Amino acid sequence: GAGVSQTPSNKVTEKGKYVELRCDPISGHTALYWYRQSLGQGPEFLIYFQGTGAADDSGLPNDRFFAVRPEGSVSTLKIQRTERGDSAVYLCASSPQGIGTEAFFGQGTRLTVV
Amino acid sequence: SQQGEEDPQALSIQEGENATMNCSYKTSINNLQWYRQNSGRGLVHLILIRSNEREKHSGRLRVTLDTSKKSSSLLITASRAADTASYFCATSGFGNEKLTFGTGTRLTIIP
Repeated sequence: GAGVSQTPSNKVTEKGKYVELRCDPISGHTALYWYRQSLGQGPEFLIYFQGTGAADDSGLPNDRFFAVRPEGSVSTLKIQRTERGDSAVYLCASSPQGIGTEAFFGQGTRLTVV
Repeated sequence: SQQGEEDPQALSIQEGENATMNCSYKTSINNLQWYRQNSGRGLVHLILIRSNEREKHSGRLRVTLDTSKKSSSLLITASRAADTASYFCATSGFGNEKLTFGTGTRLTIIP
């Protein structure tokens, strides 16, 4: 596809479970970002990849959150022992090089922890 | 944490009127971008202005940047019902790749 694809679009999970959220960036984009957005708030930065490596993971809230991008394309955000406070829309974005230019966002995954 | 604050938080205007939204930020920036978000899902990039620019135009959009006041404004002229959305400013710093978003302005265009 032409845009950033995120799957699933919606995920409901029980408290304490493990979840994986997937992001397929635009082909050829080396930079990939994960954001989290709560209702009524702006997107909150989680982690930034340049190629396969995490260039900045300062936004990950705690060690239950982890993200990988093993081949420099698809990325997976992993959340262990989910808590109700993790409920939010998780947004992925990619850009050709870095954030000196525009970022292209996916439609997000709405995660609900019950 | 949020870098910017948009003002107002919500704005309702009649179709055809101009809409102005403001953004203030706290630290030095490399560039500032404006994004639109419909229905709380994907964000769409509208315009980017660099720290050495003062004004930029794109179609019905006009963005200004005042680095001395650490503020930016987004003007949408001749508004349309399809402009109804939330608008966010986002900044990136020098040597810092991440985009930091503001709290957003919810714009409603009344037909």
